[in-house]
Amino acid sequence: DAGVIQSPRHEVTEMGQEVTLRCKPISGHDYLFWYRQTMMRGLELLIYFNNNVPIDDSGMPEDRFSAKMPNASFSTLKIQPSEPRDSAVYFCASRQQANYGYTFGSGTRLTVV
Amino acid sequence: TQLLEQSPQFLSIQEGENLTVYCNSSSVFSSLQWYRQEPGEGPVLLVTVVTGGEVKKLKRLTFQFGDARKDSSLHITAAQPGDTGLYLCAGSSRMKTSYDKVIFGPGTSLSVIP
Repeated sequence: DAGVIQSPRHEVTEMGQEVTLRCKPISGHDYLFWYRQTMMRGLELLIYFNNNVPIDDSGMPEDRFSAKMPNASFSTLKIQPSEPRDSAVYFCASRQQANYGYTFGSGTRLTVV
Repeated sequence: TQLLEQSPQFLSIQEGENLTVYCNSSSVFSSLQWYRQEPGEGPVLLVTVVTGGEVKKLKRLTFQFGDARKDSSLHITAAQPGDTGLYLCAGSSRMKTSYDKVIFGPGTSLSVIP
């Protein structure tokens, strides 16, 4: 298995632009998570899906952030409009079932200038 | 609010030394995971512990889950430069809805000097 695949690896964009991050989870994993990592706040859960259904989006910072999972093999995290404070590494992770550990992707390093 | 604390925050040791890092909370967890993260990569799962008092060994790494399932430790014997990285603990709590909530600690940054 190729693991969790995220794209792009790096994204530099100007403030106000729309940013879309992509994730392909491991086949057969029922849970998909989006995390954000910064030096100040560590790993923060943004949203997670179970069987393609959003379960908990309480970590999504504000209305500028949205996430979708149209099928079991693809998810997107969109930021519109982006702001400099959104600069961080965004990780996607998948998991087979509850109480199992996560498999993380390599992350997308987002820089908003 | 559930919180996980990790100590120490930073640790720099010489190759061959032993070390222990800690993960503590006031909350009870149904399971706890340890991850290692290298620069530019995502965290990689090392171990999951489920039972209070459980001890698991992974080569030179020994993981222990506290009896009350509120804390955990990671002991590394004869550290090597390849052990360098950010060590994260993550606690899982079963929610009423049958889904679980996972929180991550801030991590311990380990540097092993050759």
